[in-house]
Amino acid sequence: NAGVTQTPKFRVLKTGQSMTLLCAQDMNHEYMYWYRQDPGMGLRLIHYSVGEGTTAKGEVPDGYNVSRLKKQNFLLGLESAAPSQTSVYFCASSYSGGLAYGYTFGSGTRLTVV
Amino acid sequence: GQQVMQIPQYQHVQEGEDFTTYCNSSTTLSNIQWYKQRPGGHPVFLIQLVKSGEVKKQKRLTFQFGEAKKNSSLHITATQTTDVGTYFCAGPRSGGGADGLTFGKGTHLIIQP
Repeated sequence: NAGVTQTPKFRVLKTGQSMTLLCAQDMNHEYMYWYRQDPGMGLRLIHYSVGEGTTAKGEVPDGYNVSRLKKQNFLLGLESAAPSQTSVYFCASSYSGGLAYGYTFGSGTRLTVV
Repeated sequence: GQQVMQIPQYQHVQEGEDFTTYCNSSTTLSNIQWYKQRPGGHPVFLIQLVKSGEVKKQKRLTFQFGEAKKNSSLHITATQTTDVGTYFCAGPRSGGGADGLTFGKGTHLIIQP
């Protein structure tokens, strides 16, 4: 099925460990986004990309890095995980920067840092 | 920076009652979008409003965009158990929206049968 696929779905990390979250979309979308969702905080933008080879910071970028080497993939990295990064991470993509068609979200990655 | 505020945070209704959530922006928006997230699920795009004073309907859902393009509302008529979830409004961080959307904190709709 066409859409946005996130891996892994669940992960438990120890403080200081690193990991990479993968987002893959097969809709040929130019724009891709990483959000985190915390109780009572809604969705907050971490990083985004407006095309292959480009990345930019969002509202809460500290502690995260991203890469978009291929148009269909957007990777989110945590170099040294902290308990404050315990969250649900959603990747989203859009055809036109969100106008008219909205975002298509992946099913999320639930990350716990202990 | 731009802020998008939603009220109420929680809404309990009896099945069959109506429901309304309100969204207010600190700045004028070029467009506003609405999303629904079922418990344990991911946000799903519902609709986009672009014009001042615009009203759009999707079956029992009515969406409005204010005349000043700073506020919006979602009204559900005769709620059903399938309407349970969190409803988010979102506006572009900048005029074009390519640099992401700012989401409200959402309204949790809880339906008692």
